Amino acid sequence: AQRVTQPEKLLSVFKGAPVELKCNYSYSGSPELFWYVQYSRQRLQLLLRHISRESIKGFTADLNKGETSFHLKKPFAQEEDSAMYYCALRGGGGNKLTFGTGTQLKVEL
Amino acid sequence: DGGITQSPKYLFRKEGQNVTLSCEQNLNHDAMYWYRQDPGQGLRLIYYSQIVNDFQKGDIAEGYSVSREKKESFPLTVTSAQKNPTAFYLCASSDMTGSNQPQHFGDGTRLSIL
Repeated sequence: AQRVTQPEKLLSVFKGAPVELKCNYSYSGSPELFWYVQYSRQRLQLLLRHISRESIKGFTADLNKGETSFHLKKPFAQEEDSAMYYCALRGGGGNKLTFGTGTQLKVEL
Repeated sequence: DGGITQSPKYLFRKEGQNVTLSCEQNLNHDAMYWYRQDPGQGLRLIYYSQIVNDFQKGDIAEGYSVSREKKESFPLTVTSAQKNPTAFYLCASSDMTGSNQPQHFGDGTRLSIL
């Protein structure tokens, strides 16, 4: 069975501080990992995916197969980064995703 | 961003009543999904469909039913057998061509019990 773990329900940082949202997964095959974000009063949307190796809004995430992790990082947090972040895994057949429980990021001034 | 439209935004159900949540997409996506979102539990997959006239159970399908008669529509019925239906329901769709296609989400429907 595949599983995604986000250990922090809430992460509070000051503006300008580094951010790291943790995500660990459990999957026997070759996983595809995603980060989704939900800003206040907006729909859930894709932030980034590991296969693209991209930086979106200053966020990056590297897939570490040895540690089975896909942590989301940003060197300097901005107020507009405050949102709910979900890590998701796609494994096996089809395109269905397994989501973590989410981490609420709060960036304080 | 009207690619996926869910209606209604809020829905109230009486005990013993079935209710149907609507999900329509104009993205020409083959696959559609229904998730349930509860506080502290993230999103859990209820049902999904990869092609018209076919669908599969997700992790928490009991008490729910779906149909996929048209590519653009994937309604979810919450039956009276679902004993704890109060939740936020999200519909999503994705392209099936190629790999690593992201899912696109609707605004959600909040269901409450009267």
